Amino acid sequence: SQQGEEDPQALSIQEGENATMNCSYKTSINNLQWYRQNSGRGLVHLILIRSNEREKHSGRLRVTLDTSKKSSSLLITASRAADTASYFCATPNAGNNRKLIWGLGTSLAVNP
Amino acid sequence: DAMVIQNPRYQVTQFGKPVTLSCSQTLNHNVMYWYQQKSSQAPKLLFHYYDKDFNNEADTPDNFQSRRPNTSFCFLDIRSPGLGDAAMYLCATSREGARQETQYFGPGTRLLVL
Repeated sequence: SQQGEEDPQALSIQEGENATMNCSYKTSINNLQWYRQNSGRGLVHLILIRSNEREKHSGRLRVTLDTSKKSSSLLITASRAADTASYFCATPNAGNNRKLIWGLGTSLAVNP
Repeated sequence: DAMVIQNPRYQVTQFGKPVTLSCSQTLNHNVMYWYQQKSSQAPKLLFHYYDKDFNNEADTPDNFQSRRPNTSFCFLDIRSPGLGDAAMYLCATSREGARQETQYFGPGTRLLVL
């Protein structure tokens, strides 16, 4: 079963704007991961944040984690048309950390 | 470049006709996964291999089987595809014991059932 929920489900912005996506989860975690999926393609790992971290950066990506609220956010700054994709958060299954529990995803459209 | 490869990228089969999807990896990862993903949905794990140890998900239909003859290759067999099995099938790998438990995905095989 899915434990992650993401909002918004869909987001449409103009190039150059920032995009923020949120993910909530239900059980305690040791890390949370964000993945991107371009239309009709496989998923690509973007960033992993551990439970003892509050913020992590990678290029134009900024991820925050609030374990007290069981939530994470992904911020993409200065968006580009090439950022158009679906974004998923995922957390390791508590019983078997080889398995990931996936959020429902946010579909981002960046308009040129 | 090390990667996860899936063949074919598109597969058309007939209702009830067995089909096999293949996945290979050059990452030398010991864990391989098969996911099913339908339109606008999150990936759904079907099963995974930890080395040769097969781990089926409780809700994966018996119609879906898998083989892993060696570290590099893994196959998904659909014995009698139904219309509801039309989906994107994603193969992924990970390295057990690595500090980062990320998964590396292939490009997927889109299955169409006629």
